[in-house]
Amino acid sequence: DSGVTQTPKHLITATGQRVTLRCSPRSGDLSVYWYQQSLDQGLQFLIQYYNGEERAKGNILERFSAQQFPDLHSELNLSSLELGDSALYFCASSARTAANYGYTFGSGTRLTVV
Amino acid sequence: DQQVKQNSPSLSVQEGRISILNCDYTNSMFDYFLWYKKYPAEGPTFLISISSIKDKNEDGRFTVFLNKSAKHLSLHIVPSQPGDSAVYFCAASFLNSGNTPLVFGKGTRLSVIA
Repeated sequence: DSGVTQTPKHLITATGQRVTLRCSPRSGDLSVYWYQQSLDQGLQFLIQYYNGEERAKGNILERFSAQQFPDLHSELNLSSLELGDSALYFCASSARTAANYGYTFGSGTRLTVV
Repeated sequence: DQQVKQNSPSLSVQEGRISILNCDYTNSMFDYFLWYKKYPAEGPTFLISISSIKDKNEDGRFTVFLNKSAKHLSLHIVPSQPGDSAVYFCAASFLNSGNTPLVFGKGTRLSVIA
């Protein structure tokens, strides 16, 4: 158990639908990062939150949004889902300076859009 | 534009021999590099890191070499063991830029054959 909890582990939904992925960071970590891993792709950075505020944005589609709550858990909302959104979505958390400590990843949510 | 490149999608090595995984980067401002290992159905886990002030960092069977002039790093695993079979991701960051997201390569799948 890495200390980062992601739910659900698997999700199957239809095109056009909306889903919410949840992440609880490791105790004490203030930063939460969301990454997408599609087939044959590396880990693509989506968005980062630090202590409730958006800190950095990557290649996140406008149909996707995220937030970090006061208890530091984070949710990634994916709407108007398309087949190409099928991927593994990872959440990671880190202490204050990511580079010094690296990330701790959750085990991911596998999203299948049919 | 892929800033971190792992040009070998896969690698097979005999047990007991050396595994060498390569990574190239394009942004000369990167000054901190990490390797992550990922088993199926799990999130990536931190393996080893190196800052740009060093050219080598060793941790047990794992050694990372950094060649800044060539913008190249490599991970050596000696001796390779069947349990090392996993996907290895190279990542890069900016050490003194606060909470900046790690940039990952696409990964190399290592198979260690008994």
